Amino acid sequence: GAGVSQTPSNKVTEKGKYVELRCDPISGHTALYWYRQSLGQGPEFLIYFQGTGAADDSGLPNDRFFAVRPEGSVSTLKIQRTERGDSAVYLCASSLTSGGSTYNEQFFGPGTRLTVL
Amino acid sequence: AQSVAQPEDQVNVAEGNPLTVKCTYSVSGNPYLFWYVQYPNRGLQFLLKYITGDNLVKGSYGFEAEFNKSQTSFHLKKPSALVSDSALYFCAVREPGFQKLVFGTGTRLLVSP
Repeated sequence: GAGVSQTPSNKVTEKGKYVELRCDPISGHTALYWYRQSLGQGPEFLIYFQGTGAADDSGLPNDRFFAVRPEGSVSTLKIQRTERGDSAVYLCASSLTSGGSTYNEQFFGPGTRLTVL
Repeated sequence: AQSVAQPEDQVNVAEGNPLTVKCTYSVSGNPYLFWYVQYPNRGLQFLLKYITGDNLVKGSYGFEAEFNKSQTSFHLKKPSALVSDSALYFCAVREPGFQKLVFGTGTRLLVSP
């Protein structure tokens, strides 16, 4: 079956601009996560959705970052007034949560490479 | 707060030899531990996980990992390395009650023919 997909695969923008990054999770996965991976580092957690609600947004670096998942499926990560330090690969992941059990592994998409000039 | 350490930036091994990629963790309570692999220009792929039970867990592509609670380690192993195993490997921990994964900085595995 189809995995997690992310669009665009690459995004180049200028400092100060607004960007949106999209994630399509695996069908039926109720949990969705956003991570950011800088060069030479492991992924860093940004935000976690369970259904439509953001259950944990403790990783968002500041109020320029915002994410939504209005229908409990597709999610959009929004970055306002982009800065050069926002340049990174943004990864989306999804997982199953069944019967309250959250042991399930997260399946990652290929990422969106964001470059802020 | 939970954390993961991968002490080796790179591991070099000859094809056919056993490989070990090291990981230690710090977490409150019993950890959930994961290994992922990342090939160039591709997303992270799940290899294996430890939740509870047998300390030796087996995963994809012949990989296995051993959970050692006293040493707070979760080393990745494979009895016989393949050139195609060359990639970037990430260890991750999840603390009970939280959903986020905390990743190490990654270890590049290079298997030479």
